[in-house]
Amino acid sequence: QKEVEQDPGPLSVPEGAIVSLNCTYSNSAFQYFMWYRQYSRKGPELLMYTYSSGNKEDGRFTAQVDKSSKYISLFIRDSQPSDSATYLCAMTGANSKLTFGKGITLSVRP
Amino acid sequence: DSGVTQTPKHLITATGQRVTLRCSPRSGDLSVYWYQQSLDQGLQFLIQYYNGEERAKGNILERFSAQQFPDLHSELNLSSLELGDSALYFCASSVVTDNSPLHFGNGTRLTVT
Repeated sequence: QKEVEQDPGPLSVPEGAIVSLNCTYSNSAFQYFMWYRQYSRKGPELLMYTYSSGNKEDGRFTAQVDKSSKYISLFIRDSQPSDSATYLCAMTGANSKLTFGKGITLSVRP
Repeated sequence: DSGVTQTPKHLITATGQRVTLRCSPRSGDLSVYWYQQSLDQGLQFLIQYYNGEERAKGNILERFSAQQFPDLHSELNLSSLELGDSALYFCASSVVTDNSPLHFGNGTRLTVT
């Protein structure tokens, strides 16, 4: 079993839709959870950074962590064509290196 | 702009050759990481340096090596290149180490022919 599993996608939604992106993990030591957005031909860009369980909101983006289920989610409200990118989850903890999911490519259709 | 600079942007070379990729971290960041990204493997951690010292090693081949210089820039050396080494190579930096979010450069696209 891989340490971090992410839905492979790709995912295509109409403009204005609510998008839910998810990752599961197996390492209980993970405490810090991140979402990165990567546009084509660019490096990953940090989108959200959360610690432990709970929700964090930033504009149209909400990151959710459920440590009991070892499950994290990123919600995008009112999705825009400019949100079309690859989204990678990442996580780390005590004595653990930062581990990335493989990423999911999102396409928002105008 | 993340503040992390990588050069060159593109590199095309032949099998058996050696190349050097360069990275300048964000101002103030002491830790530098190298990652390889391919379509089938995703982002794979290669190696980390902190303030000039090797801190952690990931899936780095023996043909690959890296170093971080006193001015904190880093170089990744890839030798005896094979077709399978074709990938995007990213450098990232962070203020300290362990649990700090990483800030990535825009990568070097290496094509081995």
